[in-house]
Amino acid sequence: DTAVSQTPKYLVTQMGNDKSIKCEQNLGHDTMYWYKQDSKKFLKIMFSYNNKELIINETVPNRFSPKSPDKAHLNLHINSLELGDSAVYFCASSSGLAVTDTQYFGPGTRLTVL
Amino acid sequence: RKEVEQDPGPFNVPEGATVAFNCTYSNSASQSFFWYRQDCRKEPKLLMSVYSSGNEDGRFTAQLNRASQYISLLIRDSKLSDSATYLCVVNHDYKLSFGAGTTVTVRA
Repeated sequence: DTAVSQTPKYLVTQMGNDKSIKCEQNLGHDTMYWYKQDSKKFLKIMFSYNNKELIINETVPNRFSPKSPDKAHLNLHINSLELGDSAVYFCASSSGLAVTDTQYFGPGTRLTVL
Repeated sequence: RKEVEQDPGPFNVPEGATVAFNCTYSNSASQSFFWYRQDCRKEPKLLMSVYSSGNEDGRFTAQLNRASQYISLLIRDSKLSDSATYLCVVNHDYKLSFGAGTTVTVRA
């Protein structure tokens, strides 16, 4: 039933570990995104994929690597986790890249790096 | 300068009151504008798009002033369920830029 789903919902891990967050949307959308919301509550775009192609790659460390196996999935792999990576990561999708297209967000993954 | 700036609040208002707040954006070439709502520890959800002529959706009215680069949201007849953080969002070149949010608390 859920339009945009993410797993896991909570992730607690040690510095230096590698972890992945998965995202799936069942809306038939072409475009998917990853956002990071830090402790100051700012939501910042990290990546955007349209039809499995990378469209936006903000100034994100290359420890973060998105992978889109198909249009319905956009996973985020993070290598060598650092304390500053602790945040809530939201996946989102939209029907396309039109400026008026609504983005639908997943429930978020709360990542805590110890 | 942040791309989107908002008064963080909080705005504490009684039920039935009217509350209004603004945000400003820095990129004059921004193409579309939205208000999203985010409840505590939840995902953002679209509240309404904002059009140049201003638009209403029930008790919510949004205005856009392109010349001054600000967007406003007015909530009439506040309900307890309106308590949330309201995010001002601006779209430029396929990217949404979010403000940090304005927190509204409606009390009984």
